[in-house]
Amino acid sequence: DSGVTQTPKHLITATGQRVTLRCSPRSGDLSVYWYQQSLDQGLQFLIHYYNGEERAKGNILERFSAQQFPDLHSELNLSSLELGDSALYFCASRGGGNTEAFFGQGTRLTVV
Amino acid sequence: AQSVAQPEDQVNVAEGNPLTVKCTYSVSGNPYLFWYVQYPNRGLQFLLKYITGDNLVKGSYGFEAEFNKSQTSFHLKKPSALVSDSALYFCAPYSTLTFGKGTMLLVSP
Repeated sequence: DSGVTQTPKHLITATGQRVTLRCSPRSGDLSVYWYQQSLDQGLQFLIHYYNGEERAKGNILERFSAQQFPDLHSELNLSSLELGDSALYFCASRGGGNTEAFFGQGTRLTVV
Repeated sequence: AQSVAQPEDQVNVAEGNPLTVKCTYSVSGNPYLFWYVQYPNRGLQFLLKYITGDNLVKGSYGFEAEFNKSQTSFHLKKPSALVSDSALYFCAPYSTLTFGKGTMLLVSP
């Protein structure tokens, strides 16, 4: 158990809908990272938050947004969903210093 | 800027043989690097990291990696592969924690 919790584990929704994925980091970790993993694109970095503030943005679509709350949990919002958004979405958390990141088990999103 | 490259999409090795999964880096500043492993339907798990110190880094599950500054490489190695080592392996820079497609390691019995 990595200590990082992602909910839900599975999500099936229709095109055009909006979903929210949730990530609870390890206790005390201030950084949260979001990733999208698909067979053809690999593990793509989406966004990084540190203590509530956005630190870096990767290949995140405008239809997607994220935030980190004062209790440090984070949410990834995906809207106007398309079939191509079907993927595994991971979050990871990291503490300070030269520490490694710990990953959640992911949310598998299927858009039908 | 920091980036890594894994030149092989897949590595095949027989059980009991040594394995190497390659990673090269391009960084400005300190080349802090990580290796992660992903088993099917699981999240990534940390294997080992290079920050400073010895160029040979030992990690989990018998894996080790050699940092080579002259060749800008950080290859993952294991002296004797197990079928259970079959998984997707990722190299990543510490600062950005960006990954690519990784390298699929397949160990045959």
